[in-house]
Amino acid sequence: EPEVTQTPSHQVTQMGQEVILRCVPISNHLYFYWYRQILGQKVEFLVSFYNNEISEKSEIFDDQFSVERPDGSNFTLKIRSTKLEDSAMYFCASKKRDISSPLHFGNGTRLTVT
Amino acid sequence: GENVGLHLPTLSVQEGDNSIINCAYSNSASDYFIWYKQESGKGPQFIIDIRSNMDKRQGQRVTVLLNKTVKHLSLQIAATQPGDSAVYFCAENFDNNAGNMLTFGGGTRLMVKP
Repeated sequence: EPEVTQTPSHQVTQMGQEVILRCVPISNHLYFYWYRQILGQKVEFLVSFYNNEISEKSEIFDDQFSVERPDGSNFTLKIRSTKLEDSAMYFCASKKRDISSPLHFGNGTRLTVT
Repeated sequence: GENVGLHLPTLSVQEGDNSIINCAYSNSASDYFIWYKQESGKGPQFIIDIRSNMDKRQGQRVTVLLNKTVKHLSLQIAATQPGDSAVYFCAENFDNNAGNMLTFGGGTRLMVKP
């Protein structure tokens, strides 16, 4: 069964550094998402992406965050200047265009900012 | 794992028994609901979904019930197995386009005793 794959599985970075989290969505999916889960908290929506542009974003997704689909297969989340509070699990998800199809999540990247 | 420290309600059941996990959702305009299972170190895994024009949907060993009057969702797992041990999240969508921005609940930890 096709899967959403994310790399790396764990990223450690120093405060103020830029990080790029990578995702390969399922190949016939058209909507792409980033969610995050801070330790001990709920899964939170960050951003959705469709047709090469952001379709929705949450308050969390401020100017420090950006997303890109640089080619036909990858979907990336960049955090320009990481803060300690950015430490979390970051999940990529994708879905078909059909409104009744569910989101499929990857196994996440654990980001630790020191 | 990412749910360590989260003060999750916990349901402990004996292997072979049926499990019922409950969820109260927040928005009466939500029209699509999903149950996800999250095992330690993995991303949310789709279990079953239901649209607001239905009140029951069955899958393999799982049934979702929706009560819109009281904004309540439940997941029933028949003949619970040790492999069902995980954290279960309900999620709701109240965006009527295909963007599917999901709002997750706080989760319930299911522990299956052999």
